[in-house]
Amino acid sequence: GAGVSQSPSNKVTEKGKDVELRCDPISGHTALYWYRQSLGQGLEFLIYFQGNSAPDKSGLPSDRFSAERTGGSVSTLTIQRTQQEDSAVYLCASSPGQVAYGYTFGSGTRLTVV
Amino acid sequence: DAKTTQPPSMDCAEGRAANLPCNHSTISGNEYVYWYRQIHSQGPQYIIHGLKNNETNEMASLIITEDRKSSTLILPHATLRDTAVYYCIVRVGGNFNKFYFGSGTKLNVKP
Repeated sequence: GAGVSQSPSNKVTEKGKDVELRCDPISGHTALYWYRQSLGQGLEFLIYFQGNSAPDKSGLPSDRFSAERTGGSVSTLTIQRTQQEDSAVYLCASSPGQVAYGYTFGSGTRLTVV
Repeated sequence: DAKTTQPPSMDCAEGRAANLPCNHSTISGNEYVYWYRQIHSQGPQYIIHGLKNNETNEMASLIITEDRKSSTLILPHATLRDTAVYYCIVRVGGNFNKFYFGSGTKLNVKP
């Protein structure tokens, strides 16, 4: 597609359940990023994939969070045993992977843990 | 972790130029300055970036001081649709593409 696609757009889950969030980057973009944004807050970096390199997981807040990127394209962010503090908008972005380019963001997945 | 400082909010009259300042006094020689904006309930949108020289595109102009310690994003004729949070970002040294977003400036364009 023309842009970064994220699904679902909204997700309500019960505390303790696992959730999977999906990101389809722009075709050909080698770099993919996950950020999250809590209500009224700035963006918090979570994880970054670049080509076939090992991902930069330095922003993941706990071991309940994991992400994978299959075939260098689609990425899935998994949150296990969700907590109420996980409620946020999860944003995915992709870029061509060169320093001079910016990101293109998706519209995000709004996660609400009840 | 953000290496930038921005005022939390600014007001601008519709049709006037909006000048958004950003301080990045610890910027390294190979780090670019990027600007993004986030309109309510949407993902951030890339605006412009630069290294040393001033830059202009269809959305905005970027003025970077000679010492590169600060920059200004200029929206030449602000409209109500430009109301958003504007983020100034420098690419963190040692990591090729990871960005840290600070708190940004909430620009309120008023009729």
